[in-house]
Amino acid sequence: AQKVTQAQTEISVVEKEDVTLDCVYETRDTTYYLFWYKQPPSGELVFLIRRNSFDEQNEISGRYSWNFQKSTSSFNFTITASQVVDSAVYFCALVRIQGAQKLVFGQGTRLTINP
Amino acid sequence: ETGVTQSPTHLIKTRGQQVTLRCSSQSGHNTVSWYQQALGQGPQFIFQYYREEENGRGNFPPRFSGLQFPNYSSELNVNALELDDSALYLCASSWKREASNEQFFGPGTRLTVL
Repeated sequence: AQKVTQAQTEISVVEKEDVTLDCVYETRDTTYYLFWYKQPPSGELVFLIRRNSFDEQNEISGRYSWNFQKSTSSFNFTITASQVVDSAVYFCALVRIQGAQKLVFGQGTRLTINP
Repeated sequence: ETGVTQSPTHLIKTRGQQVTLRCSSQSGHNTVSWYQQALGQGPQFIFQYYREEENGRGNFPPRFSGLQFPNYSSELNVNALELDDSALYLCASSWKREASNEQFFGPGTRLTVL
């Protein structure tokens, strides 16, 4: 069975600080996809990034960056120079290649950026 | 392009009742998934529909059932409501049922069971 663990339940930082959200996953599959979603107070999940298990290249998008390490089964997310608008709940998720397009989510990390 | 919409926004029911939640998928998307998100938890996969047929199901009892219509909109039905069914119900659509495809989520229906 697949499992995603986000050990940090809540993080609170001051604006402009860098913050890293941890994600560790378990799967017996050799190929899979990993995702990060953001859930603002409005409720809908907003897609941030998708990563194929074969692609361990780190990715940067503006203030956001992702570090994927297959050897440690981790897919961490870093926000540089955080802003108040980054406050939300962030979810890491995994999808198997086979079968239904079923996202297995972690419990989420509530990030609060204080001005 | 219209995104995923869900109705109603909020709903209050009593234990034992039945409820129907609705979802309109994003234009061009033929796959719809439903998730249940309890307070403070991550979403849990209920089931997925692809071209009007169930394409996979999570660990939910048979009283959770669904439909997908020819226009790819979908319904989630829950019978014999229990207190633990109180949650945010999220619908997501994608244009293919492949793992790599991004799923676009609606704003959810918040169900409260008293």
